[in-house]
Amino acid sequence: NAGVTQTPKFRVLKTGQSMTLLCAQDMNHEYMYWYRQDPGMGLRLIHYSVGEGTTAKGEVPDGYNVSRLKKQNFLLGLESAAPSQTSVYFCASSYRGWGRTEAFFGQGTRLTVV
Amino acid sequence: EDQVTQSPEALRLQEGESSSLNCSYTVSGLRGLFWYRQDPGKGPEFLFTLYSAGEEKEKERLKATLTKKESFLHITAPKPEDSATYLCVVGGTNAGGTSYGKLTFGQGTILTVHP
Repeated sequence: NAGVTQTPKFRVLKTGQSMTLLCAQDMNHEYMYWYRQDPGMGLRLIHYSVGEGTTAKGEVPDGYNVSRLKKQNFLLGLESAAPSQTSVYFCASSYRGWGRTEAFFGQGTRLTVV
Repeated sequence: EDQVTQSPEALRLQEGESSSLNCSYTVSGLRGLFWYRQDPGKGPEFLFTLYSAGEEKEKERLKATLTKKESFLHITAPKPEDSATYLCVVGGTNAGGTSYGKLTFGQGTILTVHP
């Protein structure tokens, strides 16, 4: 059971560079989420999707874009990376909205912007 | 305002010393209460979902219970591999509907089990 898979696991970017984080789930979940986790801050929602072709903003969406072209994939893009985006990024998915059902998380992507 | 408070913030146990973690919550209509464990550098790992007062769930050395005001995560005869941060997340009214719902996070309890 793969569950939720994130790639890459680690990445170092220079300020101004762009990159895309990929999240794939094999549980046929409708809902997918991108969170960032910083020391002492807990999980903060960046963007989420309630189904294929849909996206919505979370708490901290600035500087990020997302796409959900296929049900199983949710991509997070950074167009022009900034040091403030240094963080650990987690993707999650759930059958229904997290809050009604549980969410399952990937192993994370540790991103450093220098 | 919805609130979730976990206690203690940190707990140190000897191997085999049973204890409980607490999650007190105030939400406008509970939809679901979720327990996760998180190891350093890893994603949160789902443990339990509880939906209504009186509900209990067990998995290996862990047992989660729910009342109208709080949830307990009981750890029986813990082992060093149970060391992790345990996170309580609560879904309130309108959580998980057609749009992203209202989730409230606890701050976590850091559990350390010494051999």
